[in-house]
Amino acid sequence: AQRVTQPEKLLSVFKGAPVELKCNYSYSGSPELFWYVQYSRQRLQLLLRHISRESIKGFTADLNKGETSFHLKKPFAQEEDSAMYYCALEETSGSRLTFGEGTQLTVNP
Amino acid sequence: AAGVIQSPRHLIKEKRETATLKCYPIPRHDTVYWYQQGPGQDPQFLISFYEKMQSDKGSIPDRFSAQQFSDYHSELNMSSLELGDSALYFCASSLHGSSYNEQFFGPGTRLTVL
Repeated sequence: AQRVTQPEKLLSVFKGAPVELKCNYSYSGSPELFWYVQYSRQRLQLLLRHISRESIKGFTADLNKGETSFHLKKPFAQEEDSAMYYCALEETSGSRLTFGEGTQLTVNP
Repeated sequence: AAGVIQSPRHLIKEKRETATLKCYPIPRHDTVYWYQQGPGQDPQFLISFYEKMQSDKGSIPDRFSAQQFSDYHSELNMSSLELGDSALYFCASSLHGSSYNEQFFGPGTRLTVL
């Protein structure tokens, strides 16, 4: 069965520092990977997906099939990046999402 | 732009009672997904519907049932509620066949079972 692991429940950095949120997955096929973000008291929203290879709000994530990882990175964190971040896996387009446990990112001034 | 609507936003029930959660997808979206998020846990997939037919089933208890109606809204019916059912219930919708089939999430219904 597929599984998504986010080893850090909490991550705290200072404004302007680089940030990396780790995500590892286990799945025998070729999944689609996503990062979802949930700002305080707001709904889950898609941040980025691996297939589009885009940068959103300065965040990037590269799918490493050899290491089965999909880490989220940003070179200079901003206070408004403080939120809960979920890594998610989709077996096939349109199928259920399997979420990781989430990482609460706090960016301190 | 219209987003996914869930009602009610908060619900308090006693043990053994029943509850009905409603989800109104984004207009023209034909697929609905339900997820359950317990305290401090990640969202867990429950069930999904496409064109009013169940398309996938996850860890949904037999006490729960769901359906999608002709207007594509969906309802999650929960009976014989237990304390462990207290959670945030998310609904998401997507348009089958669209780019990436992105799932758009609602704000969730927070169910508290006393």
